[in-house]
Amino acid sequence: DVKVTQSSRYLVKRTGEKVFLECVQDMDHENMFWYRQDPGLGLRLIYFSYDVKMKEKGDIPEGYSVSREKKERFSLILESASTNQTSMYLCASSQGTGGSVNEKLFFGSGTQLSVL
Amino acid sequence: RKEVEQDPGPFNVPEGATVAFNCTYSNSASQSFFWYRQDCRKEPKLLMSVYSSGNEDGRFTAQLNRASQYISLLIRDSKLSDSATYLCVVNSPIYNDMRFGAGTRLTVKP
Repeated sequence: DVKVTQSSRYLVKRTGEKVFLECVQDMDHENMFWYRQDPGLGLRLIYFSYDVKMKEKGDIPEGYSVSREKKERFSLILESASTNQTSMYLCASSQGTGGSVNEKLFFGSGTQLSVL
Repeated sequence: RKEVEQDPGPFNVPEGATVAFNCTYSNSASQSFFWYRQDCRKEPKLLMSVYSSGNEDGRFTAQLNRASQYISLLIRDSKLSDSATYLCVVNSPIYNDMRFGAGTRLTVKP
C-alpha cells in the first residue's frame, strides 16, 4: 500500500513564525500535492509538483512556498504564519508520466495547524 | 462556475436505504473520475474510480455520463458505517491537476 506520511498531526504556531510542513511518500510517485481544507470550502490546492525541483501554483499559493529536493519529499513552507492560515493541511501523491496529473491521489493523514 | 459541483446535502437516510449522489463537471475533456470518502477529521480515501462503462464494488455503483457531464454514486442497503462525506474528484485538463467537489455529507441512521 502507498504510504504518505505527514510529519505532524497537530501543530500550534504563533503569528509571524516560519512554519515547515513535511510530507514523504514511499511509492516513487512523480506527483505530489499540498491542499488545505476548511469547513464549507472543501479542498483547495496550494501547490503541486510533478518532478523534483518542479513546482506549480495551485488556486491559493499566496503566503506559501514549497520545496521538492528529493522525489519522495515535498515540503510546504509558511514564510510568516498568519491566523487565516489556520487550517487542515493535506499532502497527497499520485503516479504520473510526462507531467500529466490524472491518476488517483493518496493522502497523508493531515496536519491541523493552528496559528495564534 | 466551479469545475466540479456536488449537492452538499446533508443526506439523512435510514439503514437499508438506497441513496444516490451526483456530481457535475464542466470540462468535457476530463478523463479521470473518482469518488473519495472522508470521515470526520480524517483524510480522504479512495472509494472507487469511475469507468466509462460504469462499475460496481459490492453495494457501491459508480456511473459516468459523458453527454451530460456528470458522475454518480449509488449506495445500496446503507449501513451506519457509510456515514461520511463523499467527495467527487475529476482531473482538470486546463490546470493539469485534480479538482474536488465540496463533498456531500451522508448520515445513515438506525
